[in-house]
Amino acid sequence: AQSVTQPDIHITVSEGASLELRCNYSYGATPYLFWYVQSPGQGLQLLLKYFSGDTLVQGIKGFEAEFKRSQSSFNLRKPSVHWSDAAEYFCAVGNDYKLSFGAGTTVTVRA
Amino acid sequence: GAVVSQHPSRVICKSGTSVKIECRSLDFQATTMFWYRQFPKQSLMLMATSNEGSKATYEQGVEKDKFLINHASLTLSTLTVTSAHPEDSSFYICSARGGPTEAFFGQGTRLTVV
Repeated sequence: AQSVTQPDIHITVSEGASLELRCNYSYGATPYLFWYVQSPGQGLQLLLKYFSGDTLVQGIKGFEAEFKRSQSSFNLRKPSVHWSDAAEYFCAVGNDYKLSFGAGTTVTVRA
Repeated sequence: GAVVSQHPSRVICKSGTSVKIECRSLDFQATTMFWYRQFPKQSLMLMATSNEGSKATYEQGVEKDKFLINHASLTLSTLTVTSAHPEDSSFYICSARGGPTEAFFGQGTRLTVV
């Protein structure tokens, strides 16, 4: 069975500071991993995805994520957050786009 | 990128009535679409996989007679919540497989049953 754990329910970060969101997964085979962002009342926007190859993945809006097989992790990072990065972030795992999502991490950005 | 459009974005209906939600891929064909449900401040739960021209595949615990899915064309899947009750109030989101490496999500539909 596949599952995703996002240990941090809520993170508050100052504008301009770095951000790291944790994601751990359980999957029986080589995982396809995704990070999505959701603004209030909106759908999901794909930030980045990992299928294979380079374990450091670059995404949109200055985000990157690193796949670490030994730790079953796929943590999301951004060097300097902007106020517009305040949102809900979901890590997901799956194949054929049948995805299992983590519970999400709410990011609050303070001025 | 490709666009998936959901309609309506918000709907309020009376208990006992049925509500239809549409999911359209606007600029690509999608043989497979997925329907998710999201409770407030919770994650998305996959409800069913919608396949064009065939019956939908429902996840365990999802009532197929309650949540009717139709995927009659390569650009449209519909989810009908039948005999809606307040506990069906939720945020419903569809996604469409747009190719070998991409899936696109709709903007979601907020259903409130009163």
